[in-house]
Amino acid sequence: ETGVTQSPTHLIKTRGQQVTLRCSSQSGHNTVSWYQQALGQGPQFIFQYYREEENGRGNFPPRFSGLQFPNYSSELNVNALELDDSALYLCASSVDSEEGYTFGSGTRLTVV
Amino acid sequence: RKEVEQDPGPFNVPEGATVAFNCTYSNSASQSFFWYRQDCRKEPKLLMSVYSSGNEDGRFTAQLNRASQYISLLIRDSKLSDSATYLCVVTGFHTGTASKLTFGTGTRLQVTL
Repeated sequence: ETGVTQSPTHLIKTRGQQVTLRCSSQSGHNTVSWYQQALGQGPQFIFQYYREEENGRGNFPPRFSGLQFPNYSSELNVNALELDDSALYLCASSVDSEEGYTFGSGTRLTVV
Repeated sequence: RKEVEQDPGPFNVPEGATVAFNCTYSNSASQSFFWYRQDCRKEPKLLMSVYSSGNEDGRFTAQLNRASQYISLLIRDSKLSDSATYLCVVTGFHTGTASKLTFGTGTRLQVTL
């Protein structure tokens, strides 16, 4: 049992549509990060939230946005979906980054 | 140059063999170091943290060389269940106070009978 849950597990969207992915972290995990993992690659950092504020962002365009809520849940929103957005999207949470992050099982997004 | 580089493999080894994975990182300011394991179509799971003094967890030994910016993972007495992709991960402060994980592309291990 991972303690970090993501929904949905799989999703198919059409190019140009918008999508919202959800993550529920463990209680007390104030830091949540989102990663995109394309096939055959390591996960790439999208952004991180700490106590409901974005405090870091990777090389992703503004159409990737997020929210973190007081109940340790968070969202990743992607607008104007492109075919290359097809990937596994992972949410990871942590109490202390020195101790590592716990990942959710991911949402596999396919854009057609 | 990639921030974290790993040999993608695959490493095909017989059960009982000892196998070693290496990883190099480019940012000398990196703070923390980890090995994660990822099974096919699953999420990465923390295998172990890596310290300069070296650390061992059962059949797994990890080592960090900060001067050479090099991380290693040694697996002794390989089991079939060790078959997976092993991801080398470093953290360092990103923008603001964010501590992002930077992943290598992973090294695939296949243990055979």
